[in-house]
Amino acid sequence: ETGVTQTPRHLVMGMTNKKSLKCEQHLGHNAMYWYKQSAKKPLELMFVYSLEERVENNSVPSRFSPECPNSSHLFLHLHTLQPEDSALYLCASSQDRASGGSTDTQYFGPGTRLTVL
Amino acid sequence: AQKITQTQPGMFVQEKEAVTLDCTYDTSDQSYGLFWYKQPSSGEMIFLIYQGSYDEQNATEGRYSLNFQKARKSANLVISASQLGDSAMYFCAMRERRLLAEKLVFGKGTKLTVNP
Repeated sequence: ETGVTQTPRHLVMGMTNKKSLKCEQHLGHNAMYWYKQSAKKPLELMFVYSLEERVENNSVPSRFSPECPNSSHLFLHLHTLQPEDSALYLCASSQDRASGGSTDTQYFGPGTRLTVL
Repeated sequence: AQKITQTQPGMFVQEKEAVTLDCTYDTSDQSYGLFWYKQPSSGEMIFLIYQGSYDEQNATEGRYSLNFQKARKSANLVISASQLGDSAMYFCAMRERRLLAEKLVFGKGTKLTVNP
């Protein structure tokens, strides 16, 4: 399998549920990202992990909890979400140039379309 | 803070014709990178083309070319010989430097429709 994969592709959950989004990259990259794409708004960066350490948390509510167990996997744990959290959640990866990589293009997965009822 | 502006919410083009999608940016950095991504209705963001601020020549990738005008702070995407499969949202993005990782700032996008 190549590129960046995300599961599930679609998720419907109630406000009291707990669920997790999974992202896996097969590109040998060392940085991974979570973005949120709401209707009629630009993509918003949520979290950045570089070398498995969180280096950016863009003022995201605590009901979103990221986890990066290794450089290939990234999770987004969700609990007690609100209807306004319904959006497309995109994962991306890149080779972080600060670590000596030669490219910084971010490659995206297909996204998880989340609906919160 | 960096900013990306895409002023065309929607564009229409006839199949086989060329189309230009506009992008202007604002930054105080001397070194920066500009990207274009395509997002079909399926949702995946597909990387198309990259232009570095110090690149002297405009970037090209197949039917895609980037018309980079540094003094005007514009980085327009030109798609030649449009195809029906080019119908999608197109996003311009700028790389924002961080100490430990890169960050992309995106515009609001342009919806391109290719008519047969």
